[in-house]
Amino acid sequence: AQSVTQPDIHITVSEGASLELRCNYSYGATPYLFWYVQSPGQGLQLLLKYFSGDTLVQGIKGFEAEFKRSQSSFNLRKPSVHWSDAAEYFCAVARTGTASKLTFGTGTRLQVTL
Amino acid sequence: GAGVSQTPSNKVTEKGKYVELRCDPISGHTALYWYRQSLGQGPEFLIYFQGTGAADDSGLPNDRFFAVRPEGSVSTLKIQRTERGDSAVYLCASSLVAEETQYFGPGTRLLVL
Repeated sequence: AQSVTQPDIHITVSEGASLELRCNYSYGATPYLFWYVQSPGQGLQLLLKYFSGDTLVQGIKGFEAEFKRSQSSFNLRKPSVHWSDAAEYFCAVARTGTASKLTFGTGTRLQVTL
Repeated sequence: GAGVSQTPSNKVTEKGKYVELRCDPISGHTALYWYRQSLGQGPEFLIYFQGTGAADDSGLPNDRFFAVRPEGSVSTLKIQRTERGDSAVYLCASSLVAEETQYFGPGTRLLVL
């Protein structure tokens, strides 16, 4: 079965600084990969996804992620963080061809200081 | 347009009671998913419907949990003989078809006393 590890439980960055959130997965083949954001009182919102093709994926709100097969990683990046980016971020995987069943990591809480 | 809606937003019940949680998917979405999110954890898959039928119910923790989607739209998650360990946020998501982006509702926060 696939699994996801988000090693950082909590990250604090200053507004305007760059951000990288780590995600490692365990799966026998190349899975489908996703990043979701969850703000207090809000539902999970999809930031970006990778199914195949270009390993650098652009998403909404200025986020991007890079799939690295050799490292089994799908790290999320943003060049300049805004205070409104403070939220919980979840990486998720699904088996290739079955994006219906997502397996989520435990999440990384991002705090942004002004 | 309207997103996924879930009712109630909060539910408090007593151990041993029966509860029903409702999910209204985005209109026209054929696939519907239920997840459970415990405190400090990521969402955990419970069940997925394609149309009226449960295509994958491998995440249901035991036979106290049951879900239906009789007309291929609204779904109800039913929990019998609730236990304190059932306390969590229950999330519903829908997608236009399976394999497409899942859009999540705000969740129902269930507290079992």
